[in-house]
Amino acid sequence: AQKITQTQPGMFVQEKEAVTLDCTYDTSDPSYGLFWYKQPSSGEMIFLIYQGSYDQQNATEGRYSLNFQKARKSANLVISASQLGDSAMYFCAMREGRRGGNMLTFGGGTRLMVKP
Amino acid sequence: GAGVSQTPSNKVTEKGKYVELRCDPISGHTALYWYRQSLGQGPEFLIYFQGTGAADDSGLPNDRFFAVRPEGSVSTLKIQRTERGDSAVYLCASSPRTSGRNNEQFFGPGTRLTVL
Repeated sequence: AQKITQTQPGMFVQEKEAVTLDCTYDTSDPSYGLFWYKQPSSGEMIFLIYQGSYDQQNATEGRYSLNFQKARKSANLVISASQLGDSAMYFCAMREGRRGGNMLTFGGGTRLMVKP
Repeated sequence: GAGVSQTPSNKVTEKGKYVELRCDPISGHTALYWYRQSLGQGPEFLIYFQGTGAADDSGLPNDRFFAVRPEGSVSTLKIQRTERGDSAVYLCASSPRTSGRNNEQFFGPGTRLTVL
C-alpha cells in the first residue's frame, strides 16, 4: 500500500485565492511526522511546514497551514492568498517513528499552477 | 550560511560506466541522506548516514550502488556498471540530528544523471 498518497496530479488556482493540496498517509506507528516541501522548476526541495502526530493544533507558517485530520489520516496543505511564485511541485512526506528510521517517504506530488 | 551542495549538477555517461556523485552537507549536520527522484515522481530514499556510518541502506536498489562518508561530512554516492534505468535526479539532504521533534532535512539542488 502507498504510504503517502497525493491524488491531485495538477491544480490551478487564481492569484490571491486560497488552494488546498490533498495528502493522505498510511502508518501503524503512533509517532510520526508529516512534512510538505515545495519544488520549483529549479529542482531544489524547499521545506514549508511540519506537523507532528501528537501535536494538538494544526501547524501554520505564514501563508501555509496544515489541515491535520488524524482520524482520517489526512494532512492537507492550505496556501492562502496564492502568488505567481507559488507555481511549483508540492510534495507531502512522512517520517515514521524510530522503527521506521529517519528517512522521508514522499508522495507523488501535485503540480500547482497559479493563474494571473 | 552555505546550504547543501552537490556536484556535478549534471552528469551524462554511457551504459556500463562508473560514476561518482558528491554531496557536501551543511556544516555541523550529523545526518546525511541520499534520495533518487525519477521524472514525474517523488523522491525515493536510498541511504542515510549518521556520522561516518551508514545507519540505513535499505533503499539502495542493488549492489551496484554504494555510498561512503569517510570523515562524517562529505559523502559520495557511487554507481557501478550504470544502466539506463539509473537515469534520475539524485538528491542529497542533511539535518542537524536524527532525533527530535522537527527533524527538518535540508536538500541540495541535486545531480541529474543521464545514462545513454
